[in-house]
Amino acid sequence: EAGVTQSPTHLIKTRGQQATLRCSPISGHTSVYWYQQALGLGLQFLLWYDEGEERNRGNFPPRFSGRQFPNYSSELNVNALELEDSALYLCASSWDRSSEAFFGQGTRLTVV
Amino acid sequence: GIQVEQSPPDLILQEGANSTLRCNFSDSVNNLQWFHQNPWGQLINLFYIPSGTKQNGRLSATTVATERYSLLYISSSQTTDSGVYFCAVGLPNFGNEKLTFGTGTRLTIIP
Repeated sequence: EAGVTQSPTHLIKTRGQQATLRCSPISGHTSVYWYQQALGLGLQFLLWYDEGEERNRGNFPPRFSGRQFPNYSSELNVNALELEDSALYLCASSWDRSSEAFFGQGTRLTVV
Repeated sequence: GIQVEQSPPDLILQEGANSTLRCNFSDSVNNLQWFHQNPWGQLINLFYIPSGTKQNGRLSATTVATERYSLLYISSSQTTDSGVYFCAVGLPNFGNEKLTFGTGTRLTIIP
């Protein structure tokens, strides 16, 4: 069974541009979570999607947004990129919000 | 908010050695997971262990929820065990959207 998959693996963008990151959850999982792992800051919760709806978001500005598609895959969009957005972005999925969460391999975003 | 502390922060061991990693948390939790982050950044699930003891090969984990700590044991270490180990806890009335990660233990296994 395939795990959580993310694309692209690496992404290099210029300050001010937009970045789109993609995530495919484990088959049957309806909840998708996005986390940011910036250097020296640990893993920070970004967004939670379930059944196509945004259910909760972490302490991030509105230029971090996303959506969940009918097949439960998800997209994270970061607008007006800033240098400090450079980080590893991890996507996770689970059957529901209380069950074990499984993470993808991450997308490493570099803003120059 | 809840505080999650891991110890030791760094651990260097010879191949074949055993190790114990600790995770302390400051409040009641309803979810605790252990992960291994490999050098490429992927978080690999080790245990989902809100309480009790589990074993998987050379690895085992114990969570004593009433005393607010969890332990991860690695026996007969191999070089592929190197990486950063994180515990993550979930708060009552919340789910995976509120997972709080510990500071991590960086394990280096020397051949």
